[in-house]
Amino acid sequence: DGGITQSPKYLFRKEGQNVTLSCEQNLNHDAMYWYRQDPGQGLRLIYYSQIVNDFQKGDIAEGYSVSREKKESFPLTVTSAQKNPTAFYLCASSIGSGGSSGNTIYFGEGSWLTVV
Amino acid sequence: SQQGEEDPQALSIQEGENATMNCSYKTSINNLQWYRQNSGRGLVHLILIRSNEREKHSGRLRVTLDTSKKSSSLLITASRAADTASYFCAPSYTGRRALTFGSGTRLQVQP
Repeated sequence: DGGITQSPKYLFRKEGQNVTLSCEQNLNHDAMYWYRQDPGQGLRLIYYSQIVNDFQKGDIAEGYSVSREKKESFPLTVTSAQKNPTAFYLCASSIGSGGSSGNTIYFGEGSWLTVV
Repeated sequence: SQQGEEDPQALSIQEGENATMNCSYKTSINNLQWYRQNSGRGLVHLILIRSNEREKHSGRLRVTLDTSKKSSSLLITASRAADTASYFCAPSYTGRRALTFGSGTRLQVQP
């Protein structure tokens, strides 16, 4: 089946640890995105990538890092510099730019990150 | 902020009733999309309306767009318990390379 796979679904992080959330898509989409959602809140854009080996900061990039070495993969690392990382993280993709052209954004099922 | 703002924040109705939620935005758009999110899941695209369209239908969904008021509305007719979800609007702007989303409208449909 075509889609976006995020793993793990649930992740616990100790203080001071870096953790990496995986996102893989087999839709052959060029653009990929990471969003953060706090309980009962909207989505905030962390990073996005329009093409392999290129990515841009979103609205809340501090404390996060990404890489885009392959078209199908866009992992997100939550670093120890992110002081309040407990949230629901959503990965998404689109065939082209999702910002101005109206291309449909396809979302994964999300990953819950909790700091313990 | 370039995200849309949904209103109301929460809406509770009985099964069979219609649900209307609104979206306002700040600058001229190319198009506007509506998405739905079931609790603890990813968002799912519902419908797109272009800036030169005033109304669009998809099944029980009806979307309107008023560019003079910079607003859109999503109407769900004959609602079902399965429509219980959060609904988000996402305006698209020239030069913007990624969509942003507001806080959404949380719809509860009582059986």
